[in-house]
Formats: sequence, C-alpha cells, structure tokens
Amino acid sequence: NAGVMQNPRHLVRRRGQEARLRCSPMKGHSHVYWYRQLPEEGLKFMVYLQKENIIDESGMPKERFSAEFPKEGPSILRIQQVVRGDSAAYFCASSPALQGTEAFFGQGTRLTVV
Amino acid sequence: EDQVTQSPEALRLQEGESSSLNCSYTVSGLRGLFWYRQDPGKGPEFLFTLYSAGEEKEKERLKATLTKKESFLHITAPKPEDSATYLCAVQAGAGANNLFFGTGTRLTVIP
Repeated sequence: NAGVMQNPRHLVRRRGQEARLRCSPMKGHSHVYWYRQLPEEGLKFMVYLQKENIIDESGMPKERFSAEFPKEGPSILRIQQVVRGDSAAYFCASSPALQGTEAFFGQGTRLTVV
Repeated sequence: EDQVTQSPEALRLQEGESSSLNCSYTVSGLRGLFWYRQDPGKGPEFLFTLYSAGEEKEKERLKATLTKKESFLHITAPKPEDSATYLCAVQAGAGANNLFFGTGTRLTVIP
C-alpha cells in the first residue's frame, strides 16, 4: 500500500516561472491537504480538497496560487510567476473520509526560486 | 484565535535519559490532537491521535497524554534514533479537517 506520493521531490524555478507540484493520495483516501513549511517555521495549512471540489482554501495566498484535485489523476498545486519568497517545502497529506482521523503526509516538494 | 505552543524548542538528552515534550493549546472545539515525528528532509510521520482529556496512547518508548489545556509526549530511555523534530497539531472547530501545527521540538539524543 503505497503512501502519499509527491513529485518532484526538488524543483528549481527562476523568478517569474510557473511551478507545478503533484500529489497522489494514499489508496482509499478521498481528502487531500496542502501545507507549506518555511525554514524555521511550522507547517501552515493552505488548502483542503476533495475530488473536483475545493473545500477550504483559507490558507492560500489570494494571488498566483491555485489547487485542483480532478476526477482522474493527482492533485496539483500551481504557483504562477514564482518569487523568492515562495521557496519552501510543500507537503501534501491525505486522509479517509471521516473527520477527526489522522492525515498521512508525503515526503514533500522542495521548491527553490532563483 | 487558535494557538499551539510547543516547548522546549530544542532538547538534548543523553541516551537513556527520559524526558517530556509539551504542547499547550488554545482552541475552540478541539476535535483531535495529533503528534507527528519529522526527520530532516522528510515529511511528518504520524505517531498518535488523542481525542479527549485523560486519554493516553503508547508506542514503543513514546507515550502521549492529553489534558484540557495541553498534551505531553513522554520519551522513556531514548535512543539516538529517536532524534527528530516532534510536531504537535490540533484539529478544531465544526467541520474543519485541516491541522493547525506548533513549531515543533527538535530532539537530539546523544549516544
């Protein structure tokens, strides 16, 4: 039973380019969450999705960031026109349908903007 | 506003020296408190979920407890492989599924 799969593990982008981060949840999990971890800071919630629906995007920056979880395929976190401050580790987590259950995390994508 | 505070920020222990990590929280409507372990360059690894005051859970050298205001992660006779950052997170509020994390305690166990 594969865990949460994220790719790429490392991504380098120049300022102004687009970054696409992918996440495949654990088998049987229909809920996906994205978190961002800045150096020396805690994990910060960004967005919560179910298939074809954004449930809670209260942690997403208003501009340049978007997320989707299509009917088929992985969840995608998209960052347009990246800036140096976007450099961080981005983690995806998934959980089963029940509230209050634990979320399992992927290994993260480390984005570096140069 | 929800708050999760972990202490200490960093802890160095000799192998075999037991200790406790603290996670204090101020949230509305706690639905669950979660402990994770994170190794450098890796994603958080789930350890425990606690749902109500008085609850305790154990796994190998780790034991997590919960009161109405805080949780403790007790480490008994730690080994060097227990070195990691330990993260506490809460799930709170009606309908909320996301986790609110503390900044973690970085544990180093010296052989």
